[in-house]
Amino acid sequence: KAGVTQTPRYLIKTRGQQVTLSCSPISGHRSVSWYQQTPGQGLQFLFEYFSETQRNKGNFPGRFSGRQFSNSRSEMNVSTLELGDSALYLCASSLEAGNTGELFFGEGSRLTVL
Amino acid sequence: GNSVTQMEGPVTLSEEAFLTINCTYTATGYPSLFWYVQYPGEGLQLLLKATKADDKGSNKGFEATYRKETTSFHLEKGSVQVSDSAVYFCALRMTGFQKLVFGTGTRLLVSP
Repeated sequence: KAGVTQTPRYLIKTRGQQVTLSCSPISGHRSVSWYQQTPGQGLQFLFEYFSETQRNKGNFPGRFSGRQFSNSRSEMNVSTLELGDSALYLCASSLEAGNTGELFFGEGSRLTVL
Repeated sequence: GNSVTQMEGPVTLSEEAFLTINCTYTATGYPSLFWYVQYPGEGLQLLLKATKADDKGSNKGFEATYRKETTSFHLEKGSVQVSDSAVYFCALRMTGFQKLVFGTGTRLLVSP
């Protein structure tokens, strides 16, 4: 079956713009979480969604937001982009919430902010 | 808070050498422990996991044992291959939560 699909794979934005990234989980998976990966900070947890509800949020400013739709697809949005937002954004899906199942990661969306 | 510490890389080995990547953790409870691998240009793949003390996770020749007394989960492989070249991440997850806390990653370079 298809894996976790993230779009777009690559994008370039300028400071002050906003960006929306999309994640389609594995069919049947209802939980989606997002991570930011940078050379300096490593992998940092952004949010976790289950059944359209945010269950957990990492320590990021309010410019970072997300949502989940009824078909379990998720989007994350970053407004007023800063140079430091340049990163690989990874989405992961699992069958259920909590720690009961394996997380499957997508290949990520690489954002460059100029 | 909860955290994971990994050895600095890169780790450079010749093919068929023995591999150890050290990982220790700090947690307020009893986490599940994981090793993930990231190949160039790809996302993360689960390599192995252990959910309680003294459990041994294994996959593709890699092994790691959950040691509560030393709060460690060191990754080992008896004979590495060039295809094992990648970045390896140690991570923990607390009971009831999906959030993974990752170490900084260790790059492994295997030469023929």
